[in-house]
Amino acid sequence: GNSVTQMEGPVTLSEEAFLTINCTYTATGYPSLFWYVQYPGEGLQLLLKATKADDKGSNKGFEATYRKETTSFHLEKGSVQVSDSAVYFCALSSGYSSASKIIFGSGTRLSIRP
Amino acid sequence: DTGVSQNPRHKITKRGQNVTFRCDPISEHNRLYWYRQTLGQGPEFLTYFQNEAQLEKSRLLSDRFSAERPKGSFSTLEIQRTEQGDSAMYLCASSPGGRSGRVTYNEQFFGPGTRLTVL
Repeated sequence: GNSVTQMEGPVTLSEEAFLTINCTYTATGYPSLFWYVQYPGEGLQLLLKATKADDKGSNKGFEATYRKETTSFHLEKGSVQVSDSAVYFCALSSGYSSASKIIFGSGTRLSIRP
Repeated sequence: DTGVSQNPRHKITKRGQNVTFRCDPISEHNRLYWYRQTLGQGPEFLTYFQNEAQLEKSRLLSDRFSAERPKGSFSTLEIQRTEQGDSAMYLCASSPGGRSGRVTYNEQFFGPGTRLTVL
């Protein structure tokens, strides 16, 4: 079945460091891929998405590229801030023709030191 | 506020009691989803409605769980005879179920969740 595997946390970085959170997926067909973020005390928010191979999703300085050949969707940011501290979830949904439930990875907790 | 809302935000109950949660989706979203999130894990799909019809249920949804969406608007999730293993965050999400501008078919918008603690 469809699944998502992401880098285990916690990840602790200093402010302005480069961030990579690895994510790989297993899916049939052509899933859409997402990164969701959960800030402390808040609900899940969509951070970025990509709906087809080689698409790059971007938002708030974060980027991720849909790589079908490596079944990956790694999250990157060039210079992290303290306000980026949160839990990040890689996720997929199975495409336009289905009910499109979202399958989430287990989450990566990111802490940024000032 | 036009986002997804959930009530209550927190619920503490004793084992064996019944609990009911409510979700109000974004207006005119015809798809509504329930997920469960346990500590340190990602959300897991429970069930999904297209308007008032419940079209898919996960194996996680035991006989003690029932969800309804009687008029195709708000939804309720009831857990009967709660067990300690039911302690989790219950998340609701809605989606347009089509394409509207930049929002794609399968983009879901999440509510803040209801945190259930079973003692």
